[in-house]
Amino acid sequence: AQTVTQSQPEMSVQEAETVTLSCTYDTSESNYYLFWYKQPPSRQMILVIRQEAYKQQNATENRFSVNFQKAAKSFSLKISDSQLGDTAMYFCAFIRSYDKVIFGPGTSLSVIP
Amino acid sequence: NAGVTQTPKFQVLKTGQSMTLQCAQDMNHNSMYWYRQDPGMGLRLIYYSASEGTTDKGEVPNGYNVSRLNKREFSLRLESAAPSQTSVYFCASSERVLAKNIQYFGAGTRLSVL
Repeated sequence: AQTVTQSQPEMSVQEAETVTLSCTYDTSESNYYLFWYKQPPSRQMILVIRQEAYKQQNATENRFSVNFQKAAKSFSLKISDSQLGDTAMYFCAFIRSYDKVIFGPGTSLSVIP
Repeated sequence: NAGVTQTPKFQVLKTGQSMTLQCAQDMNHNSMYWYRQDPGMGLRLIYYSASEGTTDKGEVPNGYNVSRLNKREFSLRLESAAPSQTSVYFCASSERVLAKNIQYFGAGTRLSVL
């Protein structure tokens, strides 16, 4: 069965600094997709970034980028120039072809002024 | 543009009571999902509907039933609520249940069962 692990339950970062959230997953599949979702205090789930496993190039979305290491089954999220609005729960998620999304347990990120 | 709308936002039930959580999306998505979110456990899939007229069990379906009423609406029913069903429930939708699945979420329903 596929699993998604986020080993950092809580993290904090100073405003304007850079922080990296880790995610590892377990699968025997070669074709799959990975996502990072953000859940601010409002509880609304928001897609942050997406990575296709067949693409070697790491996805980037403004201040958010990923470090995708397929062999290591690692998918970390880097947030640059952290802002107060980045304070949220961050969930790593996995989906293989024609299947359901599996979410990790989440990392609570606090951005400190 | 409303996206995914869930009602109600909050609900308190007594053990044994029944209720239905409503979800509607206006993005013409084929697939819809119900998740529950518990502390330290992320989101767990209860049921999903790949397309109108079909429903399938997810990871934690026991104690729940669903109805895909039409393409827009997907309801979740608790027939006899139990304290273990105290959770935050999220509805989501996506274009299709395929590799490029991007799910759009509702604002959640906080349910307490006493």
